[in-house]
Amino acid sequence: DSGVTQTPKHLITATGQRVTLRCSPRSGDLSVYWYQQSLDQGLQFLIHYYNGEERAKGNILERFSAQQFPDLHSELNLSSLELGDSALYFCASSPKGTGSSYEQYFGPGTRLTVT
Amino acid sequence: AQSVTQLGSHVSVSEGALVLLRCNYSSSVPPYLFWYVQYPNQGLQLLLKYTSAATLVKGINGFEAEFKKSETSFHLTKPSAHMSDAAEYFCAVRASGNTPLVFGKGTRLSVIA
Repeated sequence: DSGVTQTPKHLITATGQRVTLRCSPRSGDLSVYWYQQSLDQGLQFLIHYYNGEERAKGNILERFSAQQFPDLHSELNLSSLELGDSALYFCASSPKGTGSSYEQYFGPGTRLTVT
Repeated sequence: AQSVTQLGSHVSVSEGALVLLRCNYSSSVPPYLFWYVQYPNQGLQLLLKYTSAATLVKGINGFEAEFKKSETSFHLTKPSAHMSDAAEYFCAVRASGNTPLVFGKGTRLSVIA
């Protein structure tokens, strides 16, 4: 158990809908990263938040947005869903600070299926 | 920009045999390198990391990796494979500064009894 929690574990929804994925980082970790894992694209970085502020964006679509709240949990919002958004979504947290050597601890993921 | 290439999307070994999973990286600055393992229907678990303290890095579950700057490689090895090692393995690189991890496409390890 990494200490990172994600809810829900599974999500099935229809095209055009909007969903919210939730992540709670390890106690004391200030950084939250979101990744998308799909068969064709592999593990892709989406977005990074540090202590409530957005720090970096990766291959995140405009239909997707995220935020980190004062209690440090984070939410990833996916809207106007398409079949191609079906994937595993992971969040990861890393220790206080932004050191490059800091490893990231991954949650169990949310499996999103868009029908 | 950083990138990672994992040679071989699928590696199959016999139980008790040497495990060798290959990873080559590209980085314009001294990199930080990581190996993660993903068991079915689970998240990624850190196996080991290289942070320039030592070129031979020992991780959990008997795995180790050697950083070779001249070859831009960070191959993962284990002397004797166990059935429980069957999983997907990901190599990742991170440059200095506040940058995210860049992952390779992963190598699926199968262990045959």
